[in-house]
Amino acid sequence: KAGVTQTPRYLIKTRGQQVTLSCSPISGHRSVSWYQQTPGQGLQFLFEYFSETQRNKGNFPGRFSGRQFSNSRSEMNVSTLELGDSALYLCASSRGTSFRYLRATEQYFGPGTRLTVT
Amino acid sequence: GIQVEQSPPDLILQEGANSTLRCNFSDSVNNLQWFHQNPWGQLINLFYIPSGTKQNGRLSATTVATERYSLLYISSSQTTDSGVYFCAVLRTNTGNQFYFGTGTSLTVIP
Repeated sequence: KAGVTQTPRYLIKTRGQQVTLSCSPISGHRSVSWYQQTPGQGLQFLFEYFSETQRNKGNFPGRFSGRQFSNSRSEMNVSTLELGDSALYLCASSRGTSFRYLRATEQYFGPGTRLTVT
Repeated sequence: GIQVEQSPPDLILQEGANSTLRCNFSDSVNNLQWFHQNPWGQLINLFYIPSGTKQNGRLSATTVATERYSLLYISSSQTTDSGVYFCAVLRTNTGNQFYFGTGTSLTVIP
């Protein structure tokens, strides 16, 4: 079974530009979460999508947005890039459950996208 | 949110030594996972262990949910064990949001 894939793996952008990152979850997984990792702040939650709906959002400005498609693939977008957005962006995939039958399921991470903003 | 503390922050071992990494968390959780972050940044799943004890080769883990801590044991360490180990927890009523510890950086020297 293929793992979680993220594209691109590396990206260099200039301040003020925007960027779109992509995540393809494990087949059959419906939940996709995004995390930002920086040396100063560690691993921080951005948002989670389940069945094309954003269920949970971390404490990030509105410049960070995302979406999920019907095949569970997800994209996140960062507009008006700032130097502080330089980070490793990780995507996590899990089976997930609806809120009605909410229970924890194991999460699997992709290799990440390393974004550098100059 | 849930506070997660990992100790020690840094650990240097001679190859062949054993070690114990600890993860304390501030609230009840439904999921706890241990990860090893490889040099390229990917988080590799080690254990999914909201409670109880599991073993996988030289690694084992124990979570005592009622006392809000988990331990990761590494026996007969090898240089390939080097890297950062993260503990992450979540509570389902907050969705699938993981709360991560700050990690334990392990260096195994030959």
